[in-house]
This record gives sequence, structure tokens and C-alpha cells, in this order.
Amino acid sequence: GQNIDQPTEMTATEGAIVQINCTYQTSGFNGLFWYQQHAGEAPTFLSYNVLDGLEEKGRFSSFLSRSKGYSYLLLKELQMKDSASYLCAKGSGYALNFGKGTSLLVTP
Amino acid sequence: SAVISQKPSRDICQRGTSLTIQCQVDSQVTMMFWYRQQPGQSLTLIATANQGSEATYESGFVIDKFPISRPNLTFSTLTVSNMSPEDSSIYLCSVDSVGASYNEQFFGPGTRLTVL
Repeated sequence: GQNIDQPTEMTATEGAIVQINCTYQTSGFNGLFWYQQHAGEAPTFLSYNVLDGLEEKGRFSSFLSRSKGYSYLLLKELQMKDSASYLCAKGSGYALNFGKGTSLLVTP
Repeated sequence: SAVISQKPSRDICQRGTSLTIQCQVDSQVTMMFWYRQQPGQSLTLIATANQGSEATYESGFVIDKFPISRPNLTFSTLTVSNMSPEDSSIYLCSVDSVGASYNEQFFGPGTRLTVL
């Protein structure tokens, strides 16, 4: 398998910052993706990293370390609408291999 | 980004029957994929739908159970054959991005299947 691991659940407070970690097997890697999925909806693309470092896009940032097989998604200034499942996916060839997702609950 | 529609959006089926799910894209795309998302789980790739040739199946998925068609660059179907309750899941099609340099995928709204 791809051994894509991420925490099952996280809780954070509105306005705070949260970091969601993801580790993966480094073989056959051609990119690391983060998707957001609200309950009952399809996943929507958040970010993509193929080189080491931090990619910033508004309130969301994503980091990659290829040698460590490690990525994180950083969400700043949390809003209630950010409560969702966050899926880490490793690109391998044309396919995406998804982790089990991290369910984030944002509380007032 | 591509606009993707799926039919049906949901269905309740009897054990032993088959259901064909349609995926339509508003523009031509190179790659189309079918995923399954079982209750409380993440997405698992079933197969890559290839235009003009047989689909490429992932380990654990076979053509007899999940036949796939891809007659052109905007349309694909997935059939779930001889269904059992274990096939109850959300089935999603996705397509690769057009004009991007990486394989970002856009997902359809999904088909929620319940097998009794």
C-alpha cells in the first residue's frame, strides 16, 4: 500500500491556527495533494506540492519534505465553515492515493 | 476547472442486481477515474477509464464486477454488477485538469448507492 497516514480527528477554536500532518511512502512519488471534503459533498482541491517547502494560498498553506515523506496543511484564522474532512493524497503516475482523512471540528 | 455531472445522484438497489452510473464532463479530458468512498472512509481508486481501450483496474477490483466504458473524451460509465450490501458506497468520477502541469483531479458530485 501507500501507507498514507494522517490523524483521524482534530478540534480547534475559531480564529486559531491548526496544522494537519500527513506521512507517506516516498517511492513512486510525483506530488502531494490536499483536498477538503464537507459532509455529503465531493472533495475539492486545496493545494499541491511537488518541491520541498511551503506553498501559501490565502489562509491555507501546505508544506512538503520529500526526503522525510512528510507534508502538512496549515489553516489560519479558522472559520466555522472550515469544519470538514481534509484528505492527504499522494500522486503516483496518473492516480491519486488518498489517506483516510482528518475530520476537523472548529468550535466557537 | 471542468464541470462534472453524475447520474443517478443516489439509488437504492436490491441484492443481485446491477447499476450503471454515468459521468459527463463539459469539456474533453484526457484522464477519467472512478473512485469508491465507503461510509466513514477515504477514497479508493477503482480504475482509470481509457478512451478506446479497456479500463486499467487497481488491485482488488476486476472488470467482471466493475465494467467501465469510455466511448469518448467527455463521458464514462461504471457498472456495479451483482450487487451485495458491501457495495453500498459513494461512487465518484474524477477527471484530470486541463492545461495544468500536474495531475490535479476534479471530482463529480458522487453517486450514493445503498444495496439492501
